[in-house]
Amino acid sequence: QSALTQPASVSGSPGQSITISCTGTSSDIGGYNYVSWFQQHPGKAPQLMIYDVIHRPSGISNRFSGSKSGNTASLTISGLQAEDEADYFCSSYTSTRIVVFGGGTKLTVL
Amino acid sequence: EVQLVQSEAEVKKPGESLKISCLGSGFSFSSYWIGWVRQMSGKGLECLGMIYVSDSSTIYSPSFQGQVTISVDRSTAYLQWNSLKASDTAIYYCVKSRGNAETDTFEIWGQGTMVTVSS
Repeated sequence: QSALTQPASVSGSPGQSITISCTGTSSDIGGYNYVSWFQQHPGKAPQLMIYDVIHRPSGISNRFSGSKSGNTASLTISGLQAEDEADYFCSSYTSTRIVVFGGGTKLTVL
Repeated sequence: EVQLVQSEAEVKKPGESLKISCLGSGFSFSSYWIGWVRQMSGKGLECLGMIYVSDSSTIYSPSFQGQVTISVDRSTAYLQWNSLKASDTAIYYCVKSRGNAETDTFEIWGQGTMVTVSS
């Protein structure tokens, strides 16, 4: 199962909005509504930010939102803050019953 | 508090065996899937596989089938290698599913165990 495709990096200024894309196939993103997004700060474990495409776990800011169209999922962060600077990974359940992750996107807040 | 606490970092030689652990607390351990995720230095995340605690049924990634063994005993999950390779050097995270379905996302992550394999 190949990794999902994410841009290596994105950047934005405080207060702006950014969107990170995650492209897969009909065997993963396109076939299921089981896309998640994780945030990882340096030296820390990943943290769940979005699950089942659009849902936020308790305690996650509503500045984070998810969507999906066809084989591509997206994470949008609005009102960028310095603390949002981190690596972001998408994941999807797949037809092989295993979760596959994206390669990760480094978000820089300018 | 729901948490997963992993065993300490390990340094091993190629060919040696290793078993790392993940202790769950603050939740009904048997009602969830526990998975293992690898992160090689500066790289992305890869799911090795997962186990449904109540009946020990396992699902392995084709890339890791036969290379590692996932098991569970009471409130502790394990990831085991019989013969380590240098390419196994990575941080390994255990993860707890959000619900009891295999499609449920990884909600809680352990702190990670660094495994270094070097001669």
